[in-house]
Amino acid sequence: EAQVTQNPRYLITVTGKKLTVTCSQNMNHEYMSWYRQDPGLGLRQIYYSMNVEVTDKGDVPEGYKVSRKEKRNFPLILESPSPNQTSLYFCASSLVLAGTQYFGPGTRLTVL
Amino acid sequence: QQQVKQSPQSLIVQKGGISIINCAYENTAFDYFPWYQQFPGKGPALLIAIRPDVSEKKEGRFTISFNKSAKQFSLHIMDSQPGDSATYFCAASMSGGTSYGKLTFGQGTILTVHP
Repeated sequence: EAQVTQNPRYLITVTGKKLTVTCSQNMNHEYMSWYRQDPGLGLRQIYYSMNVEVTDKGDVPEGYKVSRKEKRNFPLILESPSPNQTSLYFCASSLVLAGTQYFGPGTRLTVL
Repeated sequence: QQQVKQSPQSLIVQKGGISIINCAYENTAFDYFPWYQQFPGKGPALLIAIRPDVSEKKEGRFTISFNKSAKQFSLHIMDSQPGDSATYFCAASMSGGTSYGKLTFGQGTILTVHP
């Protein structure tokens, strides 16, 4: 089944404790992206990747890191999480940018 | 900065009615305008998309109307059904330039269709 998977789905952590949210797609898509969703603000792009080893900042990259060492994986790293990073995070992939983006199920992160 | 503004924030419609959601953008370099539908607890899913070379695109009960001169586009849901109750997001991206790869979303509209 074609899909985007994220892990973990739920995470409660404390300020400053490094964490990684994994994202994997099995559709051989070149384009992958991370978003955060907050009430009243919609979806905001954090980072995106056009292909392996090619990443770029979205609209809200501060406090986040990403890497794209393999085509299928695009992990999101929070080196020192803060409470303002409490949010619902989505990973997405598409064959090309201007095409259907397939979203993962989301990761709800709470930083205390 | 918010480059895509979506309204209304919430919308209540009776079954069988027409739901209309509007979006306005600032950057004239945008050339791809998708709409996404999100049900509670799920990730967004592409509903319909349009490029600025056409003024309207229809897929079943869903229609996008595009006004390039006004920099506005809207989603019309005809014969709205309770199963259409969801959050809808408009978005915009560009196929070139320094911002190629960025997808900018509107704030979202929570649609409730009463039976």
